Amino acid sequence: DQQVKQNSPSLSVQEGRISILNCDYTNSMFDYFLWYKKYPAEGPTFLISISSIKDKNEDGRFTVFLNKSAKHLSLHIVPSQPGDSAVYFCGGNTDKLIFGTGTRLQVFP
Amino acid sequence: GAVVSQHPSWVICKSGTSVKIECRSLDFQATTMFWYRQFPKQSLMLMATSNEGSKATYEQGVEKDKFLINHASLTLSTLTVTSAHPEDSSFYICSARFGTELNYGYTFGSGTRLTVV
Repeated sequence: DQQVKQNSPSLSVQEGRISILNCDYTNSMFDYFLWYKKYPAEGPTFLISISSIKDKNEDGRFTVFLNKSAKHLSLHIVPSQPGDSAVYFCGGNTDKLIFGTGTRLQVFP
Repeated sequence: GAVVSQHPSWVICKSGTSVKIECRSLDFQATTMFWYRQFPKQSLMLMATSNEGSKATYEQGVEKDKFLINHASLTLSTLTVTSAHPEDSSFYICSARFGTELNYGYTFGSGTRLTVV
């Protein structure tokens, strides 16, 4: 049972443009959603989170949008930078953090 | 703050032997820690939740006798892969919950690459 899904395994974006990473979930008990960034052979690093009672949270270049009725959230990165190239994981939280399958973002010059 | 240290970063072992991976919270007390496994090009799969002073809670499909978890103190959780086989080769990552009951986050170790030969 895949409670969190990231249907796009990869995304390629030009530097300076917007990157939009999508995430869908099935568990309506999630109270927080978190986005993590991961490089190969390293642990994930926290990017941004959103409470289930909010519909938007912004932190610098990163904005997360939550649509509870659609059980969908998205991470917007603008402007995208080459250093943003990594795998991004969406996670849903109850008393534990369940991750989606990840989206590999590549930002090219 | 909220740093987790995971050791070793990589280990190679012979098939049939056991391997222990340590996860330490350096600047906070972690009542709850988590163990994840990542297969190549795949998601971070939650294996188990480790609670200090009590038995770990394993996710469906994870063999508790295969992956022994001990959380004997508020700063240390260990994962022991017993009688390791090549299919156990993977990237294992620990995580700890930090903060208060109403306002918390998760921090992750740097991972351990296990190769069983």
